Amino acid sequence: GIQVEQSPPDLILQEGANSTLRCNFSDSVNNLQWFHQNPWGQLINLFYIPSGTKQNGRLSATTVATERYSLLYISSSQTTDSGVYFCAVERIKTSGSRLTFGEGTQLTVNP
Amino acid sequence: DTEVTQTPKHLVMGMTNKKSLKCEQHMGHRAMYWYKQKAKKPPELMFVYSYEKLSINESVPSRFSPECPNSSLLNLHLHALQPEDSALYLCASSQDPPGTSYGYTFGSGTRLTVV
Repeated sequence: GIQVEQSPPDLILQEGANSTLRCNFSDSVNNLQWFHQNPWGQLINLFYIPSGTKQNGRLSATTVATERYSLLYISSSQTTDSGVYFCAVERIKTSGSRLTFGEGTQLTVNP
Repeated sequence: DTEVTQTPKHLVMGMTNKKSLKCEQHMGHRAMYWYKQKAKKPPELMFVYSYEKLSINESVPSRFSPECPNSSLLNLHLHALQPEDSALYLCASSQDPPGTSYGYTFGSGTRLTVV
């Protein structure tokens, strides 16, 4: 199956700082998503981004499919950005495809 | 608000109890999923329903029994669970196949404790 590696595993920031999270994957994919899991457990879909660049407020993401990596940028971080950020990928086949998650990046933003 | 609704949000059950987790979506998605997530780990796939038929069972013990009554509803029936089954149970939905501009949408989860 596809291997997904996220870095760094842990990140501690002061409020207002910027950060970049990375996701490497081992095979070509049809689907790549970035999720934020808040302290209550909800997985919030940040971006569906199998290729290209997208921006949503202070967050943006870029996927370079040919080089098999994706980056999530967080600018002017806030305490509410704390939580775990997961990258998940899928190579869609006729049957049996599934979403494969990385181990996540635990982000802590201190006031 | 999430477009995938899970109930209950929290559940404490004894090892001899029978309980059910419920999931509902109204996005017209035709694939629905159950995931299990232990603390500090990523979600792990348990079951996939495609067009209301079970298409993937990831060798889950029979004390977990999924059911898809219609295209909007997904249940997970629990019986004779063990303390190690305590976890966050997440429901998700997607188009089938999920090659759209949205991908997967997850519910807020049920935090299950088995005592």
